[in-house]
Amino acid sequence: GESVGLHLPTLSVQEGDNSIINCAYSNSASDYFIWYKQESGKGPQFIIDIRSNMDKRQGQRVTVLLNKTVKHLSLQIAATQPGDSAVYFCAENPGNTPLVFGKGTRLSVIA
Amino acid sequence: DAEITQSPRHKITETGRQVTLACHQTWNHNNMFWYRQDLGHGLRLIHYSYGVQDTNKGEVSDGYSVSRSNTEDLPLTLESAASSQTSVYFCASSGWGETQYFGPGTRLLVL
Repeated sequence: GESVGLHLPTLSVQEGDNSIINCAYSNSASDYFIWYKQESGKGPQFIIDIRSNMDKRQGQRVTVLLNKTVKHLSLQIAATQPGDSAVYFCAENPGNTPLVFGKGTRLSVIA
Repeated sequence: DAEITQSPRHKITETGRQVTLACHQTWNHNNMFWYRQDLGHGLRLIHYSYGVQDTNKGEVSDGYSVSRSNTEDLPLTLESAASSQTSVYFCASSGWGETQYFGPGTRLLVL
């Protein structure tokens, strides 16, 4: 499959360790945030979302943290597995406009 | 199960030809979007629609057009294909203020 970006920030983690992927968003009016995972040759896949009235939301092995004060979003992946290797995008919804996507971070899991 | 599909998955065309990429969703979503994804640029919005007969330009709309005659479909037309339009194209759909779900993508090569 094709690479989605040659110059993306890359995070390398050992299999079994926890991963933390960070994202700074731009619009203080954004009230909805989403994390996507994109594997090589595939479309972005929804992982987890959070609304601005929450600071934390947990899913299966994933947790999203939202810090509205500093406009920061993070995705934590517990017990990272080789299948977690992908590019991860954050997206913000600034209101009545389309989502604004970050550039993405490449997660590489070392077996 | 509801889904979003794109066709064709791969297309090779010549400069100057008109090309139409299909996007079909069975989520009954009002909102539909077209993006292109290139190395080093992430996802860039081409056009979007918030309902039947509604279309809006995104950040890279030049050379592209869309029409929305029903809820399920948003075809993307390249009026006169150019080499600069070689890319991977993703369609997405969403309900209002909700997550966007992406199709599998169409890889277009313009020779």
